[in-house]
Amino acid sequence: SQQGEEDPQALSIQEGENATMNCSYKTSINNLQWYRQNSGRGLVHLILIRSNEREKHSGRLRVTLDTSKKSSSLLITASRAADTASYFCATHRDPGTASKLTFGTGTRLQVTL
Amino acid sequence: DTGVSQNPRHKITKRGQNVTFRCDPISEHNRLYWYRQTLGQGPEFLTYFQNEAQLEKSRLLSDRFSAERPKGSFSTLEIQRTEQGDSAMYLCASSTGYLNSPLHFGNGTRLTVT
Repeated sequence: SQQGEEDPQALSIQEGENATMNCSYKTSINNLQWYRQNSGRGLVHLILIRSNEREKHSGRLRVTLDTSKKSSSLLITASRAADTASYFCATHRDPGTASKLTFGTGTRLQVTL
Repeated sequence: DTGVSQNPRHKITKRGQNVTFRCDPISEHNRLYWYRQTLGQGPEFLTYFQNEAQLEKSRLLSDRFSAERPKGSFSTLEIQRTEQGDSAMYLCASSTGYLNSPLHFGNGTRLTVT
C-alpha cells in the first residue's frame, strides 16, 4: 500500500502562478522527500526535509512538514511550463533505517502558457 | 557521476516469454533498488540490494521475478513467463545508503507484454 497520498491528484495552473500540493503519510518518519517525474522519464530528487525541520527552501521550492498532522506541502512559486510533471512525496517505511522508500500516488501538475 | 543507466529503454514481448533488464548504478553507490510503476501511479517497491546482498523483496515480486547483483555493481531483473499484467515501467535507483541520502533514478525500462 502507498505510504503517502498526494492531494490534489491533478492541478492545472497558468505560468507565473504558484502551485501547492500536499502529502499525507501514515507512520512516523525520519525524513520526507519530494521527487519530480517528467513524462516517460525517471524520478528526480527535489528536496528532503527532516522530521525535526518545519520548513525548507530550495530555489523556487518551499516545503513544509507538520509531523503532528503527518502531512507535508510542496509549494512551487512563479511556475514555468517546464515545471509540468508529476510530483511525488516519499518516506522510509521503517523510520530510523535507510531501507525502502515508499512513494505516494503523485500530483500531476500542468502549467500552461 | 554519469547517472543511473537502464537498458533497454523499451521492450515489447509476447506473453509467456522471458525478459531481462539491466541497471548500472552510480559507481560509488552501494544501495540499488528496483521499482515498478504503472500508468498514473507512484513507483511500487520491488526489491533492494546492499552491495551484492538482496535485503528485501516485496510480496509483489512473485516467483516469476528474480533480481541479482552479482558483484555489487550492475543488477539484472528477470521476469519469466511474462503476463500482460507485467506491462509497466521498471525503474532502477541507487543511493549511498545513508539515512538522508536521496535516490537517483534511471529513466526506466518500459515493458509491454502483448
